[in-house]
Parts: sequence; structure tokens; C-alpha cells
Amino acid sequence: DVKVTQSSRYLVKRTGEKVFLECVQDMDHENMFWYRQDPGLGLRLIYFSYDVKMKEKGDIPEGYSVSREKKERFSLILESASTNQTSMYLCASIMELGLGGYTFGSGTRLTVV
Amino acid sequence: QKEVEQNSGPLSVPEGAIASLNCTYSDRGSQSFFWYRQYSGKSPELIMSIYSNGDKEDGRFTAQLNKASQYVSLLIRDSQPSDSATYLCAGMDSSYKLIFGSGTRLLVRP
Repeated sequence: DVKVTQSSRYLVKRTGEKVFLECVQDMDHENMFWYRQDPGLGLRLIYFSYDVKMKEKGDIPEGYSVSREKKERFSLILESASTNQTSMYLCASIMELGLGGYTFGSGTRLTVV
Repeated sequence: QKEVEQNSGPLSVPEGAIASLNCTYSDRGSQSFFWYRQYSGKSPELIMSIYSNGDKEDGRFTAQLNKASQYVSLLIRDSQPSDSATYLCAGMDSSYKLIFGSGTRLLVRP
């Protein structure tokens, strides 16, 4: 089975801090995603990467950046954390777009205080 | 704006009943649909996929797709308390990325 690992389950950060969320997958998947999930708003795509060093903005990229230096690792960066970025962050991956559903990591619940 | 719509619920059913979860989508070009189950505080887990009109059965789960009506449903037979979760519907858009609904919360009463 594909394993998508997010390094932290729970994280508490202060406003203004730079925050790194890490995601690693072990099945050589080309495509990786970062979503945030908030009650009533569902899953919203922040960024998508289709290859090493390649990225595409999703629906809500403001306040975020990403890094994909190696195929297996996709990092989400909050340049200056704000309280409205308190959320559940979910990483997902798939080998090839169009070939089935995504596999999600276990999620990181981030609280910005 | 391509959308996938779900009733947020909660949908409450007694143990042993059939739970029927529904989803509509706006993009007529969507060809593939997926159902995810998400327990509280956990991440979504893929449980069913459907690519053509009609029914697809897997154990107690049946996915139904009606492309003419732009309608997808998930039936859970013999519902168990362990089925209590939020169910997310997702459709694949023309760029092969998934568009997710906001989910329906299912409660199965013992």
C-alpha cells in the first residue's frame, strides 16, 4: 500500500512564525497535493506539484508557498503564519492524474495563536 | 466554477438500515467519481470509485452514477455504528484533478 506520511499530527505556532509542513510518499508518485480542510468549506486545494521543482497554484495559494526538491517530498510553507491559517492540512499523492483517487496522509492539525 | 454538492447532514439511520448518500456535480465533462470516508480527526480514505453509468458494488457498498442527471450516490447496506463518519464525494475535472464536495455526516444509531 502507498504510504503518505505527514511529519506532525498536531502543531501549535505563533503568529508571524515561518511554518514548514512536510509530506513524504513512498511509491514514486509524480503528483502531490496540499489541501486545507475547514468545517463547512470542505477540502480546498492550496498547491499541486506534478514533478520535481514543478508546482501549480490551487484555489487558495495566498499566504503559502511550496517546495519539491525530491520526488518523494512535498513541503508546504507558511511564510508568516496568521490565525486564519489555523486548519487541518492534508497532503495527497497519485502516480498519474486520471488513474484513480488520491491517497491522503494522516493530516496535520495546525493551530496558530 | 466546477462544483460538487453534498448535503452536510447529519443523516441519521438505525443500525441495519440502508444509508443513502447523494452528490450532484456541475461539470458535465466529469467522467470519474470517488467516495471517501473520513472519521472524525482522521484523513479521508478512498472506499469506492465509479467511472461509468450504473451501479458498482463492493461488499456492503454500492456506488451509483447517472451522468445524464449529474448525480452520484453511495448506498451502505446493513449500516453499522462503525460506518458513522463523514463521506466525501469527489469528481474528476477535465484536467484530471479531483473536485471534492464538503461531505455528508452519517450517524448510525445502535
